[in-house]
Amino acid sequence: DSGVTQTPKHLITATGQRVTLRCSPRSGDLSVYWYQQSLDQGLQFLIQYYNGEERAKGNILERFSAQQFPDLHSELNLSSLELGDSALYFCASSAQPGQNYGYTFGSGTRLTVV
Amino acid sequence: GDSVTQMEGPVTLSEEAFLTINCTYTATGYPSLFWYVQYPGEGLQLLLKATKADDKGSNKGFEATYRKETTSFHLEKGSVQVSDSAVYFCALSDDGQAGTALIFGKGTTLSVSS
Repeated sequence: DSGVTQTPKHLITATGQRVTLRCSPRSGDLSVYWYQQSLDQGLQFLIQYYNGEERAKGNILERFSAQQFPDLHSELNLSSLELGDSALYFCASSAQPGQNYGYTFGSGTRLTVV
Repeated sequence: GDSVTQMEGPVTLSEEAFLTINCTYTATGYPSLFWYVQYPGEGLQLLLKATKADDKGSNKGFEATYRKETTSFHLEKGSVQVSDSAVYFCALSDDGQAGTALIFGKGTTLSVSS
């Protein structure tokens, strides 16, 4: 157990639907990162939050949004889902958003859009 | 923007063989460099890191040296085991456009047979 908890582990939904993925960071970590892993694109950085504030955006689609709550857990919302959104979605956390820190990853949510 | 390029896989080796996985990077600043490992069905785990030029990261028999002159961070292990079979990701963290999020290479699959 890495200390980063992601739920659900698996999700199957239809095109056009909306889903919410949840992440609880490791205790004491203030920064949360979301990544999408697909076979063709590899690991793509989506968005980073630090202590409730958005810190950086990567290749996140406009149909996707995220937030970090006061208790530091984060949710990634995916809407108007398309087949191409099927992927593994990882959350990672770190104590501070510093380049010397490694990040702890959760075990991911596998999203299948049918 | 920042990027990481690592050798294409899969890499197939016999037990006790020497392993090298090449990784080069492009960054505007002075990034920290990381190797992560992903075992089947799991999230990514930090394997080793180096935060400045000429630093050597090491863990579990794996080593990588931060070479600024060649912008490289090649992963090596003297004698691989079957249990090393996994996907290996090279990554950098540079407080730039992507905040301090990790930028990953596409991953290299290592398969070790007995």
